[in-house]
Amino acid sequence: SQQGEEDPQALSIQEGENATMNCSYKTSINNLQWYRQNSGRGLVHLILIRSNEREKHSGRLRVTLDTSKKSSSLLITASRAADTASYFCALRTSYDKVIFGPGTSLSVIP
Amino acid sequence: EAGVVQSPRYKIIEKKQPVAFWCNPISGHNTLYWYRQNLGQGPELLIRYENEEAVDDSQLPKDRFSAERLKGVDSTLKIQPAELGDSAVYLCASSRLAGDPTSTDTQYFGPGTRLTVL
Repeated sequence: SQQGEEDPQALSIQEGENATMNCSYKTSINNLQWYRQNSGRGLVHLILIRSNEREKHSGRLRVTLDTSKKSSSLLITASRAADTASYFCALRTSYDKVIFGPGTSLSVIP
Repeated sequence: EAGVVQSPRYKIIEKKQPVAFWCNPISGHNTLYWYRQNLGQGPELLIRYENEEAVDDSQLPKDRFSAERLKGVDSTLKIQPAELGDSAVYLCASSRLAGDPTSTDTQYFGPGTRLTVL
């Protein structure tokens, strides 16, 4: 499959802890993005990392990309209850396809 | 700036009936996407428009699904006839045209239409 595949499928942590989720893929990409989806809502863009970048930061978010391993990770530091959501990686492939992974469900316990 | 607007938010129909979803993208966004999202899964792209041209409809089940974006602004996705397996959330998203120097390839999603086929 060319799909991005996140792991773990589900993650439960205490408030204040860090959360790390990973995305692996099999095709060549132009960029990789992470989105958040709260229950019953639309997706919200979090961060984009281009294929020639290795790391990006945005607030409490840190994304890394290793194109040799075809993998990316999203780190959320000092998690809050409001971070409870599903997180998806989305690939923009080199042949201009858009592919979302199945997501990681994050629960942050107050 | 107004976000992506979708209607209706919820739709319940019986199988074999037709159904249509409407999407109005963010003003100035040339690219429009329709996705289907099943429970517990990621969005699956159905069709992507750049202006009024469908540039990727490879995942659209063309026997029963159709879409149009006649003036390159709002869009309609139709299912006729609907089947039980079509129950899902249908998401619309928009972004600036790829290649636009101001583009970040960021997609802005609407709230979705939850379709239930009985």
